[in-house]
Amino acid sequence: RKEVEQDPGPFNVPEGATVAFNCTYSNSASQSFFWYRQDCRKEPKLLMSVYSSGNEDGRFTAQLNRASQYISLLIRDSKLSDSATYLCVVPRGSARQLTFGSGTQLTVLP
Amino acid sequence: GAVVSQHPSWVICKSGTSVKIECRSLDFQATTMFWYRQFPKQSLMLMATSNEGSKATYEQGVEKDKFLINHASLTLSTLTVTSAHPEDSSFYICSASSGSGTGELFFGEGSRLTVL
Repeated sequence: RKEVEQDPGPFNVPEGATVAFNCTYSNSASQSFFWYRQDCRKEPKLLMSVYSSGNEDGRFTAQLNRASQYISLLIRDSKLSDSATYLCVVPRGSARQLTFGSGTQLTVLP
Repeated sequence: GAVVSQHPSWVICKSGTSVKIECRSLDFQATTMFWYRQFPKQSLMLMATSNEGSKATYEQGVEKDKFLINHASLTLSTLTVTSAHPEDSSFYICSASSGSGTGELFFGEGSRLTVL
């Protein structure tokens, strides 16, 4: 099993749609989780951390299910500017070394 | 906020030459920096962990003699791709942590290497 596995994508959705991405991780001892977004040919940028109780930041909601070792990202009211690749990220231990999922590509269509 | 800068942002070189990529933390000291590589349509893969004043720690399968890492100061780490070949063409990205507070990681803008 891969350390971090994501929905294969790509997702093509109309503006205003709600879209959800899923991610599973293999290390049950992992303590922190992140979603990053990466635009084409750019560096990844932190979108949001994922907290145990779930958290929301505007149109974005992240959920964590430790029992199933599963993380999700929900985007509501999609905007054209949300088009990017979304990366599920799990740090390895406490060394700040990140393991990235393969990413899910989102295209929001006008 | 903290910024990490990479240079050059893109480079084209001939096969067999060596290329040096710099990663600088601009407004904080970074004891540790990380080097990643991303091939087209793939995710970022950690190559090595660069420690200031000591040897880098390489991930399994990454040749330390081919990818030379030097972290001589708290604000600069360099990655040298020696005797580059076309298969080394990739997007190389560094990251650094201020190590304070939440220890947020900051990424450089990336360096796109094309080996002809």
